[in-house]
Amino acid sequence: DIQMTQSPSSLSASVGDRVTITCRASQNVFNYSAWFQQKPGKAPESLIYDASNLRRGVSSRFSGSGSGTEFSLTISSLQPEDSATYYCQQYSRYPVTFGPGTKVEIK
Amino acid sequence: EVQLVESGGGLVQPGESLRLSCAASGFTFTSYWMSWVRQAPGKGLEWVANIKKDGSETHFLDSVKGRFTISRDNAKNSLSLQMSSLRAEDTAVYFCARGGSYSDFWGQGTLVTVSS
Repeated sequence: DIQMTQSPSSLSASVGDRVTITCRASQNVFNYSAWFQQKPGKAPESLIYDASNLRRGVSSRFSGSGSGTEFSLTISSLQPEDSATYYCQQYSRYPVTFGPGTKVEIK
Repeated sequence: EVQLVESGGGLVQPGESLRLSCAASGFTFTSYWMSWVRQAPGKGLEWVANIKKDGSETHFLDSVKGRFTISRDNAKNSLSLQMSSLRAEDTAVYFCARGGSYSDFWGQGTLVTVSS
């Protein structure tokens, strides 16, 4: 199975800060990666697919980059509503796997 | 508006069976693979299974192979997950999701608790 790791596991930042979360795959997943946001008690919401494509309706302050084994999610200007856990995912090979999550808190 | 509404969760004993359902609306159901993804309490996301648009192909997480079956009724815009020989480690919120690998819309989930 392809293992996905994320760093950091948690972070605390101020409103307006630029925040970057990194995800690494144990094998080449090409650009078959995605990012999800999950708030407590809610379903995950898709943010980014195919490594860098913003899902329709998602704020443009979210962006994704990378390919192969290294990916990143950037929030250009952190907002209070961005407090959540963020998961990366690979869908290059079965089983589809997710990273362990990064918890983002607002200072 | 895309809607996915799961039902069928509950408390069962180890070894018992349970069937989850997902009612889909707001999109052309037959145009999409569909998936189930679960989340154990306080844990991360774990993909469970998916099914092709016409139901002709399925894939499963190794730990549920032979115990879980995924199916769909395209006439009723419905997705199902039949779970048997349930174990404590199957305890989780089960989400129905649109898409076979990357899923762009998710339901709110239904809680399955396996405990004696």
